[in-house]
Amino acid sequence: DAKTTQPPSMDCAEGRAANLPCNHSTISGNEYVYWYRQIHSQGPQYIIHGLKNNETNEMASLIITEDRKSSTLILPHATLRDTAVYYCIVRTLMDSNYQLIWGAGTKLIIKP
Amino acid sequence: DVKVTQSSRYLVKRTGEKVFLECVQDMDHENMFWYRQDPGLGLRLIYFSYDVKMKEKGDIPEGYSVSREKKERFSLILESASTNQTSMYLCASSHERGFTGELFFGEGSRLTVL
Repeated sequence: DAKTTQPPSMDCAEGRAANLPCNHSTISGNEYVYWYRQIHSQGPQYIIHGLKNNETNEMASLIITEDRKSSTLILPHATLRDTAVYYCIVRTLMDSNYQLIWGAGTKLIIKP
Repeated sequence: DVKVTQSSRYLVKRTGEKVFLECVQDMDHENMFWYRQDPGLGLRLIYFSYDVKMKEKGDIPEGYSVSREKKERFSLILESASTNQTSMYLCASSHERGFTGELFFGEGSRLTVL
């Protein structure tokens, strides 16, 4: 089972910041949080990942709470092309191998 | 840019047929993966490979096999297709081992088994 909980859907106005929450209350100290997104009819696309510190790249920012039980992906200026399903994933050690356990994600709809 | 190419975007097969899904990556990545994606279930790992002629079972390997004869190519085989294998199949590759880095995905192959 996925170690993350996300809202099934969210709306955001074009040009505004989109803040996507994720709960991972059972995360272990050495488990990373990854974010991918999947635009309709395409394969998933990597966005960002982090362990403890906040991270930023050209696509988004990742804010991880101090207790690491939740995180937020921020798309600073959402555009219509950001409409996609966003997956928050914890990289988990299973049977001596790390794996990404995918949940159902959040469907983000950017509205004009 | 990394490109992961899957041979067919859409396939329709009959129950009992043998199905080959091909995946090629052009960035000399060591690691390749096959997932299936079903509504409400997210992505589930079928098989992965860290090297040529090497394969490891994922979470749902039953009914599938794989072949990795060349570094750039990873094939998924359904020996005898069944209707419950109707799904979207996604291939991915990565440079780092152990899911530590970025996975690059193909566009997917939507298989319908009648």
